[in-house]
Amino acid sequence: RKEVEQDPGPFNVPEGATVAFNCTYSNSASQSFFWYRQDCRKEPKLLMSVYSSGNEDGRFTAQLNRASQYISLLIRDSKLSDSATYLCVVPFGGGYNKLIFGAGTRLAVHP
Amino acid sequence: GAVVSQHPSRVICKSGTSVKIECRSLDFQATTMFWYRQFPKQSLMLMATSNEGSKATYEQGVEKDKFLINHASLTLSTLTVTSAHPEDSSFYICSARGWTTGGGQFFGPGTRLTVL
Repeated sequence: RKEVEQDPGPFNVPEGATVAFNCTYSNSASQSFFWYRQDCRKEPKLLMSVYSSGNEDGRFTAQLNRASQYISLLIRDSKLSDSATYLCVVPFGGGYNKLIFGAGTRLAVHP
Repeated sequence: GAVVSQHPSRVICKSGTSVKIECRSLDFQATTMFWYRQFPKQSLMLMATSNEGSKATYEQGVEKDKFLINHASLTLSTLTVTSAHPEDSSFYICSARGWTTGGGQFFGPGTRLTVL
């Protein structure tokens, strides 16, 4: 089993739609998680951190299910500008030194 | 705050040459810097971790003699790809963290290396 697994997509949705991505992780000891957004040929940018059961920031909601070892990202009222690849990231080991990146889920929002 | 820059943003070189990439933390002191590589349609892979003033720690499978990392100051780390070959063509991204970043890593804009 890969350390971090994501559905690569692409998810093609119309503007205004609600879309959700899942990410599963293998290390049951992981305590915190991150969602990053990466635009084509650009560096990843932190979108949300998840430390407990979940986190919400405007149209974005992240939820954590420790029992099933998965994290989800929900985007409501999708905008064209949300089109990007969303990376699930799990720190490995103490001190958050090593980040394990999922391969990413590609989202394409169309008019 | 927490801005990281990289230079150059893009480099094209001939096979056999060496390429140096710089990573700078502009508004904070980076106690730790990380170097990643990303091939097309793949996830970021950590190459090495460097703490200021110490030797870098390389991930399994990354040749330390080919990818030379120097982190001589709290604001600058360099990655030198020695004797580059076409298979080294990739997107190289650095990240940095420090005492003031709350444990988070902040990424530079990346360097796209093409070896002909």
